[in-house]
Amino acid sequence: AQTVTQSQPEMSVQEAETVTLSCTYDTSESDYYLFWYKQPPSRQMILVIRQEAYKQQNATENRFSVNFQKAAKSFSLKISDSQLGDAAMYFCAYRRRNRDDKIIFGKGTRLHILP
Amino acid sequence: DAGVIQSPRHEVTEMGQEVTLRCKPISGHDYLFWYRQTMMRGLELLIYFNNNVPIDDSGMPEDRFSAKMPNASFSTLKIQPSEPRDSAVYFCASTTGLDNQPQHFGDGTRLSIL
Repeated sequence: AQTVTQSQPEMSVQEAETVTLSCTYDTSESDYYLFWYKQPPSRQMILVIRQEAYKQQNATENRFSVNFQKAAKSFSLKISDSQLGDAAMYFCAYRRRNRDDKIIFGKGTRLHILP
Repeated sequence: DAGVIQSPRHEVTEMGQEVTLRCKPISGHDYLFWYRQTMMRGLELLIYFNNNVPIDDSGMPEDRFSAKMPNASFSTLKIQPSEPRDSAVYFCASTTGLDNQPQHFGDGTRLSIL
C-alpha cells in the first residue's frame, strides 16, 4: 500500500527566509503524481504545487519549488522569501496515475512564520 | 466560478442525533470525495464517487456512516446515530478525473458531537 510520511510535525522560519518541508512516500508504482496542499487557519485546502513522476524537472510556482528525488522517493517543498501569509498546515499527497483518483495524504507539517 | 460548496459550515449536536452533511461539487466534475480530518488521524478518505456511483467506501468507519450521491450536483454524508468520537472537520472535494487535475476542496464542515 502507498504511504506518505511527513517527519516534521512543526517548523518555524523567520520572515523572508527560506524553509524546506520534507516528504517521503512509498510506492511500487512508477507513474504517479505528487502534490503539496496548504491549509491556512481558514481551513481551506489549497493546491500549492504538483509534480508528475515522469517529469525529471522539478516543479516551480513563484516562491514555491520542489526537490523531487524519484529514486529516493522524496518530495520536499521549498518556500523562498517566506511571508506571514505562508503560515499554515502543509500536506504532501500522492496519487497513482491512470488507475483511480484516490489521493493519499501525509499527516501534515505546521509551518510558523516568525516576524 | 463557484467552488465546492459544503453546508453547514459548523454543526453542534448531541450524541445520538442524526447528522447530515451536504456537498455540491464543481459543475462538470465527475469525481466526488468525502474526507474526515482530525488531529490524531490527519486526513482520511471516507468514500468517493465517480459519475454518482460509489467506487470505494473502504474508509467509512462503520455502519453509522452512509453517503449518497443522487445526482451529479449533490451528495450527502449522514451519521446516525452520532457519537462524540465523530467530532472532526469533514471535507468534500471534487475533480474532473482528467489525469493531471487536482482535487478541489470545499471549506469543510466542523462537526462537534456533545
